[in-house]
Amino acid sequence: QVQLVQSGAEVKRPGASVKVSCKASGYIFTSHAITWVRQAPGQGLEWMGWVSGFNGNTQYAQNLQDRVTITTDTSTNTAYMELRSLTSDDTAVYYCAREMGVCFDYWGQGTLVTVSS
Amino acid sequence: QSALTQPPSASGSPGESVTISCTGSSSDVGGYNYVSWYQQLPGKTPKLIISEVSKRPSGVPVRFSGSRSGNTASLTVSGLQAEDEAHYYCSSYAGINTWVFGGGTKLTVL
Repeated sequence: QVQLVQSGAEVKRPGASVKVSCKASGYIFTSHAITWVRQAPGQGLEWMGWVSGFNGNTQYAQNLQDRVTITTDTSTNTAYMELRSLTSDDTAVYYCAREMGVCFDYWGQGTLVTVSS
Repeated sequence: QSALTQPPSASGSPGESVTISCTGSSSDVGGYNYVSWYQQLPGKTPKLIISEVSKRPSGVPVRFSGSRSGNTASLTVSGLQAEDEAHYYCSSYAGINTWVFGGGTKLTVL
């Protein structure tokens, strides 16, 4: 069965960076892209970016493109999302999700990133 | 990449039908047949319930249906049940491997 398992919760200081992992199993990793979505406390979903599982090509949301990097490691079927120069506004649950066609059919369990001094 | 517009709340009694709108532009909702809807139960991960405007993934009850007219997509929940109480988010492909979500609608079953 398809599973996306994310790394654990993180607490970071303002100005720091965070890197969240998303390990995929149950399907051919290179056949699907992975997208990252975040959800601030009590808020809606925000699309952050996309990475091709086939060739590692990426696309980022305009408001984050200067601070976010999404990568893959096909040897371990893992996608990574790194966000830099963190502020309190980046406190959120970060989700990875598998792209199926043009929607997201399987989601990771979410990783809470808390930015606090 | 502006967020799609959804009403913040919607409600209905058990057995009734409720429709949630999702308004975008010709660059997203109106430009592609790639609107999807996600249900997020309290404290849970989002779940895909509608893809490509009106397709229901396997296992999603038939009371969930989707449609689109111009730049506005809609999710209709027929025969409301208590378990349908959740947040619902629309999403649309916006070209060049980018997506946009709506702000979400909290559906309350009275």
